[in-house]
Amino acid sequence: NAGVTQTPKFQVLKTGQSMTLQCAQDMNHEYMSWYRQDPGMGLRLIHYSVGAGITDQGEVPNGYNVSRSTTEDFPLRLLSAAPSQTSVYFCASSYAGLAGGYNEQFFGPGTRLTVL
Amino acid sequence: AQKVTQAQTEISVVEKEDVTLDCVYETRDTTYYLFWYKQPPSGELVFLIRRNSFDEQNEISGRYSWNFQKSTSSFNFTITASQVVDSAVYFCALSEPISNFGNEKLTFGTGTRLTIIP
Repeated sequence: NAGVTQTPKFQVLKTGQSMTLQCAQDMNHEYMSWYRQDPGMGLRLIHYSVGAGITDQGEVPNGYNVSRSTTEDFPLRLLSAAPSQTSVYFCASSYAGLAGGYNEQFFGPGTRLTVL
Repeated sequence: AQKVTQAQTEISVVEKEDVTLDCVYETRDTTYYLFWYKQPPSGELVFLIRRNSFDEQNEISGRYSWNFQKSTSSFNFTITASQVVDSAVYFCALSEPISNFGNEKLTFGTGTRLTIIP
C-alpha cells in the first residue's frame, strides 16, 4: 500500500491563480480531511469528507473548495490564491467506525504552497 | 470549544539530558483521545502515541514516556537520554467527534520545537 499520497510536493503560485492539490489513498478509507499548518498555529482543519459525495467545512474553509467523487481521491481546490494561503497542507484519511471509538488517521507527506 | 496548549515554544537541551514537553487540554467531552506527533525537519507527521481518556495509566516506550493526568488536564511527554535524532517539532493533539460514524477531528497544539545540542 502506498498509504496517503499528495501531489505536488512543492508549488509556487501568483496571487489570483487557481490550482488543485491532489490527495489519494489506497486503504479504502471512508473519511478524508485536509489540514493546513502555519507557523505558530499548529494544524487546522479545512474541509473533510465522511464518504463519496459527502463533504463538510472544518475550522478554516474560506478560499477552498473540495469534492469527493470517489473513495480514493479528495482534491483541494484554491480558486483564487492569496498570500494568506501560503502554508503546508496535509491530507489525512481513516476508516469510519462506531461512534465513541477511534479510527486512526493516516497523514500524507504534505504539500508546501507559496503564494506570491 | 476544544483547546490544546503547548506553552513551550522552543526547548534546547544538551544530548543525553532528559526533557519534558508539556501539553494541557480543554474539552467538554467525556470520551476523547490524546495524541503526540513528531514532525522532523523532513516535514512529515509521525504518530507517536494515542491515549484514551479512560486510561490514565502512564506509558513507556523505550526512551519515551507519557504522563496523562485527567485531574490537571495534562498529557506530558518525556524523552529520557535525549539524542540528536530527537530534534523535531512535537505536536500534542486532542480528538473531537465530527460525525456519527466515529470520525474525529484533531485539534492540535501550536507545537514545541525541540533542539538537541550534540
